Amino acid sequence: QIQLVQSGPELKKPGESLKISCKASGYTFTDYAMQWVKQAPGKGLQYMGWINTQTGKPTYADDFKERFVFSLETSASTAYLQINNLKNEDTATYFCARGRWLGGDFDYWGQGVMVTVSS
Amino acid sequence: DIVLTQSPALAVSLGQRATISCKTNQNVDYYGNSYMHWYQQKPGQQPKLLIYLASNLASGIPARFSGRGSGTDFTLTIDPVEADDTATYYCQQSRNLWTFGGGTKLELK
Repeated sequence: QIQLVQSGPELKKPGESLKISCKASGYTFTDYAMQWVKQAPGKGLQYMGWINTQTGKPTYADDFKERFVFSLETSASTAYLQINNLKNEDTATYFCARGRWLGGDFDYWGQGVMVTVSS
Repeated sequence: DIVLTQSPALAVSLGQRATISCKTNQNVDYYGNSYMHWYQQKPGQQPKLLIYLASNLASGIPARFSGRGSGTDFTLTIDPVEADDTATYYCQQSRNLWTFGGGTKLELK
């Protein structure tokens, strides 16, 4: 069955970096895009951007063009989100989601990774 | 950027119809498709795709859920509402990059 399994929760200090993983299984990794979504505590969904799993090219939404890096390890069917120079406002749950090329919807989601940034 | 506007909350009675609206500030239609999708999110869970391209039911979603609309006005209907439907519902456009609406929290009266 199709699954996106993300890494575990993180507790970090401001200024540190982290890297979240999203391992896909049950489908051909390069047949779909990988999307990233942020959800701050008690807030709605915020679109972060996507990475083309065929070319490795990332595209970032305006609020995520600095400090955020999407990458792939295609041989392991795994996508990564790296956040550098963490800030308190990065405290959130981060989801990966499989993006369909044709319609652009996100048909499968990871379980989310809770990231807490606190001194 | 395409902005999506949803009402924050809606309260309905069990067995009744719930209609959740989503309005965009730009047309999201393109070559015969409306690039609007709907998701359900329950507390502590990841979002789940309900409807794609405005009116297509996602796999495994009961027929109580339906979507309609075009251009800048879209609705998600749940009929009849069941207790398990209490959740937050988000619309999303994919016409120009991607954005989400603010979400509508569905509660029971």
